[in-house]
Amino acid sequence: DTGVSQDPRHKITKRGQNVTFRCDPISEHNRLYWYRQTLGQGPEFLTYFQNEAQLEKSRLLSDRFSAERPKGSFSTLEIQRTEQGDSAMYLCASSLAAGINIQYFGAGTRLSVL
Amino acid sequence: DAKTTQPPSMDCAEGRAANLPCNHSTISGNEYVYWYRQIHSQGPQYIIHGLKNNETNEMASLIITEDRKSSTLILPHATLRDTAVYYCIVGGATNKLIFGTGTLLAVQP
Repeated sequence: DTGVSQDPRHKITKRGQNVTFRCDPISEHNRLYWYRQTLGQGPEFLTYFQNEAQLEKSRLLSDRFSAERPKGSFSTLEIQRTEQGDSAMYLCASSLAAGINIQYFGAGTRLSVL
Repeated sequence: DAKTTQPPSMDCAEGRAANLPCNHSTISGNEYVYWYRQIHSQGPQYIIHGLKNNETNEMASLIITEDRKSSTLILPHATLRDTAVYYCIVGGATNKLIFGTGTLLAVQP
């Protein structure tokens, strides 16, 4: 399968713990996006990278959240000191920088903070 | 905030055409209309996009009005597997996607 891969698919953690998610984009895609989705809502943009550069961050991305894409390939999203309000589906997408912005999404990581 | 308005839900009989409307009255001249869908517990899936002209691919057809203020996604022969939330999104060629709450299409047997 050459689609966008996310790991883990599910994560249960206790409030106050740190969690890290990984996203592997489609190999030739140089843009990578992170979104968050809560129940009954559409995905909300968090941040995106072009290659290794983080070009935009949403105001939703508080200082407890950090994302990296160190070599312009896979990306990680870390949440420090998790809160119950962080419970959501975290989605990763990738696209080519050139041309129309067709984003291909992974299956997501579902986070539950107890 | 999303720039589009969609009905929250629609029903369609299996085998019939599903026509999903979307209003985007504030669309700019260089903005595209994208359609994605999200089947339960999966990530969104790209369906189709258009700028001014009507478009068709193996999944669906997209009809955009001449003034570009609204569009309709057409699934010509809906199946049970088409049951999903359908999102109409307006955006530039390289921008982030701003999702609304979409239309839940329920295909009935």
